[in-house]
Amino acid sequence: DVKVTQSSRYLVKRTGEKVFLECVQDMDHENMFWYRQDPGLGLRLIYFSYDVKMKEKGDIPEGYSVSREKKERFSLILESASTNQTSMYLCASSDRDRGEGAFFGQGTRLTVV
Amino acid sequence: DQQVKQNSPSLSVQEGRISILNCDYTNSMFDYFLWYKKYPAEGPTFLISISSIKDKNEDGRFTVFLNKSAKHLSLHIVPSQPGDSAVYFCAARAPSNTGKLIFGQGTTLQVKP
Repeated sequence: DVKVTQSSRYLVKRTGEKVFLECVQDMDHENMFWYRQDPGLGLRLIYFSYDVKMKEKGDIPEGYSVSREKKERFSLILESASTNQTSMYLCASSDRDRGEGAFFGQGTRLTVV
Repeated sequence: DQQVKQNSPSLSVQEGRISILNCDYTNSMFDYFLWYKKYPAEGPTFLISISSIKDKNEDGRFTVFLNKSAKHLSLHIVPSQPGDSAVYFCAARAPSNTGKLIFGQGTTLQVKP
């Protein structure tokens, strides 16, 4: 069974704090992704990585950065949290060569107050 | 610019009947289309996919139809069950080997007993 694990289910942070969301996958997947889910907007891609130390911006990268130092771990960083970053954050991984799509973690509900 | 659209935010169906969820896309270069199911406070789970070279794929109660000329796909659930009540996301895989997925806004399906 593919497992994608996000470090926290729920987080509450203050405006201006630096926030780290961690994600680990155990299937040796090349690709890893960070999405956020907001009502009526679906899942929007923040950043993705197709190899260690490789990253590309998604559709809404502003206010975020990422780190992928090891193949199994992909971190999302909110440099200075703001209230409009309150959302459900979803990490996913996929095998580059297969069409089965991405496997998702359980999500982190982040509230910025 | 929304490349993948689910125009119906919600759908209500009686148990035992057919549920039809629809999705439209704009980029004819997408090579795979996928459906995900999401329960509250959980990550999306992969349901079924279809390659762009096919027009139908079936897996148990779930069938996905692809109409390339109309740039339209649909998910049929027959018969619908109360446990199918969830948010359904349509996704398309971008034409590259990065595995990047572009999601629609989601449709909330309610199956009434």
